[in-house]
Amino acid sequence: GEDVEQSLFLSVREGDSSVINCTYTDSSSTYLYWYKQEPGAGLQLLTYIFSNMDMKQDQRLTVLLNKKDKHLSLRIADTQTGDSAIYFCAEISLPGNTPLVFGKGTRLSVIA
Amino acid sequence: DVKVTQSSRYLVKRTGEKVFLECVQDMDHENMFWYRQDPGLGLRLIYFSYDVKMKEKGDIPEGYSVSREKKERFSLILESASTNQTSMYLCASRGMASGYEQYFGPGTRLTVT
Repeated sequence: GEDVEQSLFLSVREGDSSVINCTYTDSSSTYLYWYKQEPGAGLQLLTYIFSNMDMKQDQRLTVLLNKKDKHLSLRIADTQTGDSAIYFCAEISLPGNTPLVFGKGTRLSVIA
Repeated sequence: DVKVTQSSRYLVKRTGEKVFLECVQDMDHENMFWYRQDPGLGLRLIYFSYDVKMKEKGDIPEGYSVSREKKERFSLILESASTNQTSMYLCASRGMASGYEQYFGPGTRLTVT
């Protein structure tokens, strides 16, 4: 079955770029998502990319997709203390009638 | 703006009580989901529903049931709450439009004493 793997922790200094990585196993057409969860809150959808794309940029966020290696990354430019959170990677295979498969989340700590 | 609401942010119940967690979405989404989240275990899917009156078991359905009588509402029921059901419960909904974007509610932190 499908599987999504993420490293558990990342620590960066304020102002630096953060790169959160994710690997997935599904080789079919798929959507891949990044969610952010702040303490005590639900998950917030940040961005997503379809598997026929290589890159997507949205303000400080850049998503890169390497289809050959099944590797997805989320780059946060100019990381701020407000970016401290858990970031989840998730995927869904088309035709989209199955639940999302989530990674276990990467805890990003931003040091002032 | 998309909206998924959950009936309570915090809930404290006693062992053996019947507990109802309600979730409402205003996006006319077909799909709705209930997850629980525990430290170190990530998100675990309890039940989901693809349409009114339909339900499917997720990864950990034991001790839970669900109800979906209307498209916008998905209820999670703990028939007899136990201490090991103390957790954060998250509801989500998803449409079938391009992108299959899934949106989450704010969560309910349930404590069973």
